Amino acid sequence: ELKVEQNPLFLSMQEGKNYTIYCNYSTTSDRLYWYRQDPGKSLESLFVLLSNGAVKQEGRLMASLDTKARLSTLHITAAVHDLSATYFCAVDRGYGGSQGNLIFGKGTKLSVKP
Amino acid sequence: NAGVTQTPKFQVLKTGQSMTLQCAQDMNHNSMYWYRQDPGMGLRLIYYSASEGTTDKGEVPNGYNVSRLNKREFSLRLESAAPSQTSVYFCASTRQGIQPQHFGDGTRLSIL
Repeated sequence: ELKVEQNPLFLSMQEGKNYTIYCNYSTTSDRLYWYRQDPGKSLESLFVLLSNGAVKQEGRLMASLDTKARLSTLHITAAVHDLSATYFCAVDRGYGGSQGNLIFGKGTKLSVKP
Repeated sequence: NAGVTQTPKFQVLKTGQSMTLQCAQDMNHNSMYWYRQDPGMGLRLIYYSASEGTTDKGEVPNGYNVSRLNKREFSLRLESAAPSQTSVYFCASTRQGIQPQHFGDGTRLSIL
């Protein structure tokens, strides 16, 4: 059974600091997604990681995937208040073919303070 | 650009009542999904439709039924609502499974 674990679940950061969110999953998969959710809002796609060693960057966020270690990281550089949100990783159950059958982690609630 | 539209946005039901949540997308996507989100639980897949005419169970299908009415619309039905089904329900769609899913704004459902 595929399980997805995120760490930490809560993260309070100061502006300007760096930090990393970790996403571990329990069985083989070669597709991992990161989403952002603001309070009371919908989910917004951040990154799609489709192969071992994939690295994607957008602004102060960088995501990577190590399929051998079954680990993805979301690195935050020089945090700003606007990054405060809940971040979810999601792993596709399928391997090879995909129907978008995703298992989500429980989310990391990030709070960036001045 | 509407994207994924869910109706209603809020609903309160009594235990045992039935209800259908509606979802429509205007992006010509092939695949559609229903999730529920509970505090501290992330999102859990209820049912999905990989293409028009097909539906499959997700992680938590019990107590729900779905209908893929056409390529645009995918509805979720609660036949006999229970308090445990109090949740925020999200519909999502994607052109094909490998691409990121686009989410609607959610339906906040309370069952008393």
